[in-house]
Amino acid sequence: LAKTTQPISMDSYEGQEVNITCSHNNIATNDYITWYQQFPSQGPRFIIQGYKTKVTNEVASLFIPADRKSSTLSLPRVSLSDTAVYYCLVGDQSGGSYIPTFGRGTSLIVHP
Amino acid sequence: EAGVAQSPRYKIIEKRQSVAFWCNPISGHATLYWYQQILGQGPKLLIQFQNNGVVDDSQLPKDRFSAERLKGVDSTLKIQPAKLEDSAVYLCASSLEAGRSYGYTFGSGTRLTVV
Repeated sequence: LAKTTQPISMDSYEGQEVNITCSHNNIATNDYITWYQQFPSQGPRFIIQGYKTKVTNEVASLFIPADRKSSTLSLPRVSLSDTAVYYCLVGDQSGGSYIPTFGRGTSLIVHP
Repeated sequence: EAGVAQSPRYKIIEKRQSVAFWCNPISGHATLYWYQQILGQGPKLLIQFQNNGVVDDSQLPKDRFSAERLKGVDSTLKIQPAKLEDSAVYLCASSLEAGRSYGYTFGSGTRLTVV
């Protein structure tokens, strides 16, 4: 499995846009990039997934450059409730063998 | 739909005692996972079931940990005997289809403290 590197922590303020970058230099051709969010005392929750270029849903956007060696999760206009740990996962979903494998994640703290 | 149910929410035991955790996945989800999450770290997969069969248990400390999923629905994870380093949150997750990252639903976990 490709290893990922994320900042350990980030701070932001309400209303700002937050960008969390994940490095995955050894990503394989069949690997997808997936982001999860985890609040205290809860299990992780799927946020967004992408393979290349840009993906957007009601929660976030995911930007993936052409070389796919990194990706950026963008959270628009964060609120206090976005304070959580964000995990970047990379893995091959072909053949039904993908298992979510988590690193240490990025702890985002949103201040008033 | 109802989420993944886990019980108990908290458990405190002394080292060398035994403990069991229970998980009820989302109805119809064939794949079930148990993860261990130590404070400050990401979840680590312990075991994966497909229906009632084990798919991957390579990271399960089999000398003290065991898990079963009878009838392919509920699952239990047991630790016997517990060690101090087993203090963690034990998360259960389920998915309708194995091999896809977007279909996983996690429970709220059981926080185990071994003293």
